[in-house]
Amino acid sequence: GAGVSQSPSNKVTEKGKDVELRCDPISGHTALYWYRQRLGQGLEFLIYFQGNSAPDKSGLPSDRFSAERTGESVSTLTIQRTQQEDSAVYLCASSPLAGANTGELFFGEGSRLTVL
Amino acid sequence: GEDVEQSLFLSVREGDSSVINCTYTDSSSTYLYWYKQEPGAGLQLLTYIFSNMDMKQDQRLTVLLNKKDKHLSLRIADTQTGDSAIYFCASEASSGGNTGKLIFGQGTTLQVKP
Repeated sequence: GAGVSQSPSNKVTEKGKDVELRCDPISGHTALYWYRQRLGQGLEFLIYFQGNSAPDKSGLPSDRFSAERTGESVSTLTIQRTQQEDSAVYLCASSPLAGANTGELFFGEGSRLTVL
Repeated sequence: GEDVEQSLFLSVREGDSSVINCTYTDSSSTYLYWYKQEPGAGLQLLTYIFSNMDMKQDQRLTVLLNKKDKHLSLRIADTQTGDSAIYFCASEASSGGNTGKLIFGQGTTLQVKP
């Protein structure tokens, strides 16, 4: 597609269950980012992938969070044993090349996660 | 650590000017950004300014940068109801080199009354 695609758009789960969120970046974009947006708060950086380099995981809030990316394509963010404080919108963004031009990020519409 | 702060809410009347303010802590950012998030949509880049500039004008948008005070503002002239959205200020994270990783503020909700 033309833009960053995320799925599911909405996910309701029970506390303690695992969830997997998917991001399909813009074709050809080498950099991919995951951010979390809690209600009424700014975006929190979670993780960053750039080509075949080791990902920057410095923003992951706990070891329950993990993410993978296959080459320069799809990424999945996995949250194990979900807690209520994990409820948020998870935003994925991609960029043609880290540091290129203005460094504009192209965002998907997000996956809204609600943990009951 | 690196931080970006914004006021949370601004309400203006249609036709007035809106000014959204932002302060940041990391002075090494090459660019500073304003992103716009409309209801139910992802963030989109609205405008940006290179750090060696004081001002950038783009149609109804004016960005002012005061590097000494680490203060960034976005002025929207002749604000329209379609400008109602959340506006995020962002700076580049200095940690990890030139990764394109951004630090975002909390977002300012702009409400435009007819």
